[in-house]
Amino acid sequence: ETGVTQSPTHLIKTRGQQVTLRCSSQSGHNTVSWYQQALGQGPQFIFQYYREEENGRGNFPPRFSGLQFPNYSSELNVNALELDDSALYLCASQGTDYNEQFFGPGTRLTVL
Amino acid sequence: LAKTTQPISMDSYEGQEVNITCSHNNIATNDYITWYQQFPSQGPRFIIQGYKTKVTNEVASLFIPADRKSSTLSLPRVSLSDTAVYYCLVGPGGGQNFVFGPGTRLSVLP
Repeated sequence: ETGVTQSPTHLIKTRGQQVTLRCSSQSGHNTVSWYQQALGQGPQFIFQYYREEENGRGNFPPRFSGLQFPNYSSELNVNALELDDSALYLCASQGTDYNEQFFGPGTRLTVL
Repeated sequence: LAKTTQPISMDSYEGQEVNITCSHNNIATNDYITWYQQFPSQGPRFIIQGYKTKVTNEVASLFIPADRKSSTLSLPRVSLSDTAVYYCLVGPGGGQNFVFGPGTRLSVLP
């Protein structure tokens, strides 16, 4: 157990809908990153938040957006869902050991 | 960003030592080398990290030659529960520069 929790565990949406995924960081961690992992592939970096500000972004379109709250929990929002958005969405938090990330169990999103 | 290359899959038997090598020819001076383990439908789990020479912890060893253009993850006496995908990552601090490749799928057979 890493102390990082994500909700919901599974979600089914239809094309064009919007979705919000949630992540609670490990206690004391002020940095959270979000990743998308398609079946059979490695996780792909979406973006990172540090103290409520976006602190780096991968090659994802603007319909992928996020928030980090004062308690360092975080949300990933995806608008206008596409079939290819079906994936496991992972969040990872970091603390003082900046290079080690602690991953949550992920949210499995299916877009029909 | 430094790109990594590792074998797509490996097979081993219980009790054997497994060595997974990762190539990262364009590693930068401030890059660290980090290995993660991932089981199906779970998030990756940190195994070990190093910058140069050798690092050992309770689960693995990481060997990094002087030129740092490759690294080898060594798992001593693997068991069936070590069956997983292993990712080699190279990047500076912050995580936003960590690029996951397809990883190495290790299958441990009885």
